[in-house]
Parts: sequence; structure tokens; C-alpha cells
Amino acid sequence: DVKVTQSSRYLVKRTGEKVFLECVQDMDHENMFWYRQDPGLGLRLIYFSYDVKMKEKGDIPEGYSVSREKKERFSLILESASTNQTSMYLCASSKDTLRLSPQHFGDGTRLSIL
Amino acid sequence: AQKVTQAQTEISVVEKEDVTLDCVYETRDTTYYLFWYKQPPSGELVFLIRRNSFDEQNEISGRYSWNFQKSTSSFNFTITASQVVDSAVYFCALSVWGPKTSGSRLTFGEGTQLTVNP
Repeated sequence: DVKVTQSSRYLVKRTGEKVFLECVQDMDHENMFWYRQDPGLGLRLIYFSYDVKMKEKGDIPEGYSVSREKKERFSLILESASTNQTSMYLCASSKDTLRLSPQHFGDGTRLSIL
Repeated sequence: AQKVTQAQTEISVVEKEDVTLDCVYETRDTTYYLFWYKQPPSGELVFLIRRNSFDEQNEISGRYSWNFQKSTSSFNFTITASQVVDSAVYFCALSVWGPKTSGSRLTFGEGTQLTVNP
């Protein structure tokens, strides 16, 4: 079974802090994704990566950056956290772009910015 | 641009009732996939099904069935004889074929909260 692991289930940080959310997958998937989930808005794509050191903006990249130095790890960075970034963050990975393989999700990180 | 609409925000049923979750999508692409995911209270999204745009055959898996109709751009999900364990948020999603840099990104609907009461 594919395993996508997010480093924290719950995280509380303060406004202005630099926040790192880590995600690791163990199935050698090419693609990795970061979403945020908010009530009534579904899941919105922040950034994704289709290869090591490659990244593409999603629908709501403002205020975020990402890093993918190794194939299995994809980090989401909040450069200067703000209260409107309080949300559930979900990481996902998928095998193959051309065949539109299903994405597999981690358990999510519920981030609160005070 | 792609769009997925799940008009039902919340549905509440009694155990053993059948329930249908609606999903309507918009895309100009001719090659695409549709997905359903389940998100139980634990938070992890669980993949349920993937259908491609060239296969309109309905699918049944146990108590779950899916009705894909290109004519109405719909991909509805029916749970037969619902159980309390079916209580979750269900998401419909769309992905279009594209170059590697498109990353097989998903466009999600807003989700439908299904509550099955004993």
C-alpha cells in the first residue's frame, strides 16, 4: 500500500513565524502535491512537483513556497505565517502524469496560526 | 479551465436507505478522468474510483455504484443500503490529460457531507 506521511497532525504557530510542513511518500511516485482544505471550498491546490527540484504553482500559491530536494520528500513553507493560513493541509502523491494515476493522500495537518 | 460542482452540501439518511451523491463537471478537454474520494472523520482522503472520459459504462463495487453520463456531464455516486460507517465527506474530482508539467492535477468539488444515522 502507498503510504504518504505528514510530519504533524496538529500544529500551532504564531503570526510571522516561518512554518515548515513535511511530507514523505514511500512508493517512488513522481508527482507530489500540497492542498489546503477549508469548509465550503473543498480542496485547493497550492503547489505541486512533477520531479525532483521541479515545482509548479497551483491555484493559490500566494504566501507559500515549496521544496523538493529528494524524490520522496515534499515540503511546504509558510514564509511568514498569517491567520488566514489557518487551515487543514493535505499532501498527496501520484505515480504517473500521462496515465492520470490516482492521488494518494496523507492524514493531513491541521495548522492554527495565532 | 475545469470545474466540479457538488450541489449537495449535506445529506442525512437513516441506515439501510439508498443515497445518491451528485457530481457535475465542466471541461473543454476530450481526455479526462473523474474520481471519487471519501474522507472519514480521521481526515485521510481515500481513493474510491477513477473513470476515463471514453468509458461510460456504469460500475458497481459492492454497495457502491457510479453512473457516468457525458451527455449531462455528470458522475453520480450511489450507496445502496447505507451504513453508519459510510458517514464521511465525499469529494468528486476531475483531472485532464496534459504534459508532464501539468502534474495530473485534480480539480475538486466542494464535497458532500454524508451522515448515516442508526
